[in-house]
Formats: sequence, structure tokens, C-alpha cells
Amino acid sequence: EAQVTQNPRYLITVTGKKLTVTCSQNMNHEYMSWYRQDPGLGLRQIYYSMNVEVTDKGDVPEGYKVSRKEKRNFPLILESPSPNQTSLYFCASVARGGSRNTQYFGPGTRLTVL
Amino acid sequence: DAKTTQPTSMDCAEGRAANLPCNHSTISGNEYVYWYRQIHSQGPQYIIHGLKNNETNEMASLIITEDRKSSTLILPHATLRDTAVYYCIVRVGIQGAQKLVFGQGTRLTINP
Repeated sequence: EAQVTQNPRYLITVTGKKLTVTCSQNMNHEYMSWYRQDPGLGLRQIYYSMNVEVTDKGDVPEGYKVSRKEKRNFPLILESPSPNQTSLYFCASVARGGSRNTQYFGPGTRLTVL
Repeated sequence: DAKTTQPTSMDCAEGRAANLPCNHSTISGNEYVYWYRQIHSQGPQYIIHGLKNNETNEMASLIITEDRKSSTLILPHATLRDTAVYYCIVRVGIQGAQKLVFGQGTRLTINP
């Protein structure tokens, strides 16, 4: 089954404790992306990756890092989490071909930083 | 990407057709209309997309006006599981940045 998986699905942590949210896709997509969703602000892109070893900042990259060492994985790293990073996070990968530019989203990771 | 305008909320009876409108009066010739939905904090789900012609798939139909300034997503026989926030997004198909800009969408409630 084609899918995007994220782990963990729920995480409560404390300020300053480094964490990583993993994202993996089994569709051989080149493009992957991270979004955060906050009430009243919609989904905002954090980082994206056009291919292995190619990453770039989205609209709200501050406080986050990513890496793309292999095509299927795109982890999101919070080196020193702060309470304003409490949010719902989604990873997405993109199917491209013809007119199609369809993003497949993971199930989400709900992060609380105390 | 062109801006879209959608009603904040809509209601529909179960079993009836749900028609969700979207205005995109500044759409460019190479921009597609995409529809996604998000069911209660789950990951957004792709529904359908189109450029000029009307489109239909197993989930929905998309009607685009001839001038392309507006479109309607049609769920032909709405069920309770179709209750979700529906997003209309206009963007270039396969070129340019891959970012999707989600507005506030339409909160569709299907009533028994």
C-alpha cells in the first residue's frame, strides 16, 4: 500500500530536549515536504526536499533542521524545542507526472513542548 | 499562485449531493485547480484536480466554468464520512515550487 508514515504520532517533551520526527514514503517520490498546522494559520511549509541531498527552506524554517540522505526518508529535527513549536506536523511526498502534482500526506505528529 | 475564496462552512444532508464552490478570479492560464480535504486533524487527502475541462473520479466531480474564474466540487452522494474541511487550491501543475498553500477552506458537515 502506497503511504507516508510518521513517527511518533504523539509526543510530549520539554524545552531544549532534542527530538526527531521521522517520515518515510514507499512511493519512490523525489519531492518531500514538512508542514505544520496551527489553529487559524492553516498549513505552513517548514522545509522541502527536491531530491536526495537537496533541501531548502519553506516559509517557517526557524528552529528546525532536516536531512535527506536517502530518497524514502525525510526526518524533521528540532535541536532545541521551544513551546512555540507545539503544533501538528505533517510530512508529505509528491507524485509528479503529466499534469499531476499530487501531495500525499502522512497521518500527522502532534507535538507538545512544555 | 492565485488566491481562492471559499465559504467558511456548509451543511448537506446525507445521501444528497454536496456542491462546494470556489472562486479563483485571478487564475492564470497554466494554473490547475486542486481540491484536498482534511478529516479532523488527519493528513490532508487529495481529491481531484483539473485545468479547463470538467473532471470526475471515484471520489468526486470537478466543474470548472468556461472563464475558469470559479469551480465547484461535487460529492454526488454525501455520507457522514465526508464531513471534513475542503480546500480549493490553485497552482501550477508540475513546475515551480511544490508548496501547497492551504487557505481556511470550507467546513462541510454532513447531517444524518
